[in-house]
Amino acid sequence: QLVLTQSPSASASLGASVKLTCTLSSGHSSYAIAWHQQQPEKGPRYLMKLNSDGSHSKGDGIPDRFSGSSSGAERYLTISSLQSEDEADYYCQTGQVFGGGTKLTVL
Amino acid sequence: EVQLVESGGGLVQPGGSLRLSCAASGFTVSSNYMSWVRQAPGKGLEWVSVIYSGGSTYYADSVKGRFTISRDNSKNTLYLQMNSLRAEDTAVYYCARESYDLMDVWGKGTTVTVSS
Repeated sequence: QLVLTQSPSASASLGASVKLTCTLSSGHSSYAIAWHQQQPEKGPRYLMKLNSDGSHSKGDGIPDRFSGSSSGAERYLTISSLQSEDEADYYCQTGQVFGGGTKLTVL
Repeated sequence: EVQLVESGGGLVQPGGSLRLSCAASGFTVSSNYMSWVRQAPGKGLEWVSVIYSGGSTYYADSVKGRFTISRDNSKNTLYLQMNSLRAEDTAVYYCARESYDLMDVWGKGTTVTVSS
């Protein structure tokens, strides 16, 4: 059974970088995932598709500060030059499965 | 512009029914996999149902037998018929387009509150 695991919370300072992790369960390390951002009181926003080889394609209008990478069963979302509007919940997803989400706090 | 707009949410008593709509623009609903996803207050995202381009439908165990997903190709609109509603169905309901198993377009959501 496919499970996506995310840390519940992360924090980083304004202007710094942060790397969020989504881990695919055993036997599913080849799966592509999507990263989604949900700002407070808003709906989810598609950020990017991230393949197992680390290649990624971003949604329309997603800033260059957002990038993705992969290593084995791990899928990463890196946000550089953090801005206050990056404070949000971040979800990974594939098929009908979502990770539990990571709440990012910008200090 | 590719867009999804949900409507039809509201306050309903336990045991009642509601039909949600999701109007699409900029692409054809019937040519895509389309999902409903919900988010209970303070919780994460939970997949509810999907309709494939070929018409097959699937449901989360929590709603199977109570919810029905459908689409109207002439209106380019997705629906979710919700019957026998329970307090635990209270959530914001989003529709989303799926492309190769990844949800790449989201609506803004419609709120369903089940309470007496």
